Amino acid sequence: SQQGEEDPQALSIQEGENATMNCSYKTSINNLQWYRQNSGRGLVHLILIRSNEREKHSGRLRVTLDTSKKSSSLLITASRAADTASYFCATGAAGNKLTFGGGTRVLVKP
Amino acid sequence: DAGVTQSPTHLIKTRGQQVTLRCSPISGHKSVSWYQQVLGQGPQFIFQYYEKEERGRGNFPDRFSARQFPNYSSELNVNALLLGDSALYLCASSERTGVGEKLFFGSGTQLSVL
Repeated sequence: SQQGEEDPQALSIQEGENATMNCSYKTSINNLQWYRQNSGRGLVHLILIRSNEREKHSGRLRVTLDTSKKSSSLLITASRAADTASYFCATGAAGNKLTFGGGTRVLVKP
Repeated sequence: DAGVTQSPTHLIKTRGQQVTLRCSPISGHKSVSWYQQVLGQGPQFIFQYYEKEERGRGNFPDRFSARQFPNYSSELNVNALLLGDSALYLCASSERTGVGEKLFFGSGTQLSVL
């Protein structure tokens, strides 16, 4: 079963625009991670936010976490064609088990 | 430095056959995890191994098994293949085991069961 659910499932924007996607999860978490996947291949870690953090930045990425609403958002600012990918949120459990959501497919048009 | 490498990249099998997928972690990484990703969905956790011991198992039938070798490489075996086993199988490595560890993924093995 999937812990997180991303919204929207798909997103199409013009280059230079911002892209925002949301993730909701069901159980209490220690941390939440975001990954990117290009063309159905390997996933790349983008950012991790801990449960005691509310916001985190990394380059053009901004992640927020609201533990009271069990939700997180990922904002990509000034998007580029190279940002076209699927984005997944994942929550951590014991060991290295990550529970992924269904992903948001982002298309950035040049 | 080489990333996580998986072999083969693509594989076609028929129902009932057995398959072995291989993974080499990043040098120095002692933890290897396996994930199954069905088209259009997020990855699902199958196994985690750390220091050659199984540390976690997902909700998969006993047809799925894995092991980790002394050099920390790993194999995933699936017996009695079903059509529903068709998926991208991803291997991920990390230095340690624990909540919040950053995982490094390989490019995956695309398995098609006919």
